[in-house]
Amino acid sequence: EVQLVESGGGLVQPGGSLRLSCAASGFTFSSHWMHWVRQSPGKGLEWVSRIYPDGTTTSYADSVKGRFTTSRDNAKNTLYLQMNSLRVEDTAVYYCAGERNPGGVDWGQGTLVNVAS
Amino acid sequence: QSALTQPPSASGSPGQSVTISCSGTSSDVGGYNYVSWYQQHPGKAPKLIIYEVSKRPSGVPDRFSGSKSGNTASLTVSGLQAEDEGDYYCSSYAGSNKFEFGGGTKLTVL
Repeated sequence: EVQLVESGGGLVQPGGSLRLSCAASGFTFSSHWMHWVRQSPGKGLEWVSRIYPDGTTTSYADSVKGRFTTSRDNAKNTLYLQMNSLRVEDTAVYYCAGERNPGGVDWGQGTLVNVAS
Repeated sequence: QSALTQPPSASGSPGQSVTISCSGTSSDVGGYNYVSWYQQHPGKAPKLIIYEVSKRPSGVPDRFSGSKSGNTASLTVSGLQAEDEGDYYCSSYAGSNKFEFGGGTKLTVL
């Protein structure tokens, strides 16, 4: 069974930093693209980032480019999202997602990031 | 504003069929066959129900089907059941290793 478990969310002040982690199991983590997707309270889904299986290629939404960095440790089956210069509008549930099917992803349960003073 | 356009709501009675549209451009929906659909119940994570326009992951009932014509993709739910009520989102590859989501459609089973 595919399991994706996010951690690291919490309350942070504007301008602050936070690092999210996602522990993967139940599939060959090192063979698949991985994503971060977020959902602001009461709003729709917003794609954030995607990383190649070996970690050499990453892509980002324009709204986070230059502030967020996605990485992975295939030896630990773990995906990361380093978030810097956080803004109030970054407040959301952040989901880790694995692309086991082309263009389609399986989801973790999400972790809440609250950017507020 | 979302890159892909979905109707905010849809509804149908049990047993009926309902179709949800997802409108994009030739740079996303129309340009690639990487359209997927997700179902989300309140307070839960989304669940993949369709990928590559019309393929279903194992375990997803064949009541769910997907299609695409030009720049518009569609999700059809046949034989509506009470548990189908929830939010539905489309997603498409948009080139340059980027993806987009639609704004979501709230499906109500009357």
